[in-house]
Amino acid sequence: GAVVSQHPSWVICKSGTSVKIECRSLDFQATTMFWYRQFPKQSLMLMATSNEGSKATYEQGVEKDKFLINHASLTLSTLTVTSAHPEDSSFYICSARFRYTFGSGTRLTVV
Amino acid sequence: KQEVTQIPAALSVPEGENLVLNCSFTDSAIYNLQWFRQDPGKGLTSLLLIQSSQREQTSGRLNASLDKSSGRSTLYIAASQPGDSATYLCAVSTGGNTPLVFGKGTRLSVIA
Repeated sequence: GAVVSQHPSWVICKSGTSVKIECRSLDFQATTMFWYRQFPKQSLMLMATSNEGSKATYEQGVEKDKFLINHASLTLSTLTVTSAHPEDSSFYICSARFRYTFGSGTRLTVV
Repeated sequence: KQEVTQIPAALSVPEGENLVLNCSFTDSAIYNLQWFRQDPGKGLTSLLLIQSSQREQTSGRLNASLDKSSGRSTLYIAASQPGDSATYLCAVSTGGNTPLVFGKGTRLSVIA
């Protein structure tokens, strides 16, 4: 079946640093990837939609300069949290549009 | 704007009980509805997917129903087990290429 590999599964970083999260489709081509964020006891909220070879589309209230999304190939989409702050601590998860295949998620803690 | 609500937010039951989790959505023009399981700190496991034209889906001890016109879905878990303890998420899509809209989930604890 379709698999999306997401790395890292957890990361702790210092405030002000940047963190890159990768989502890789292993056995299919992911032309579209959805990126979600989940705060504790909250629902998954769509942050942005990335399409291979074009600019990502961000949801209202999500800073595109802070959350950089790159979808340079049909099998890899990345989310970079730039100049991370403690309020960015959250669970980030990607989902390929194909069969709504989800990655395993990344727990980001900014200290 | 589509909104998904799940009731109850948390539920604790003794092992062996049958239980029902509820999901409602504000816009009945959905493409499909899915139920997911999420273990603490983990990703999502898809449990059941119901297309808008379907009324229910079954998988083992799980049964999900869909009443599109009233904007409701239920997830029925039979003979609950401690291993069923997790957060159950309901999500809808409005098109084949659109992202999912999630509810906040129901946190289930099954006590042995």
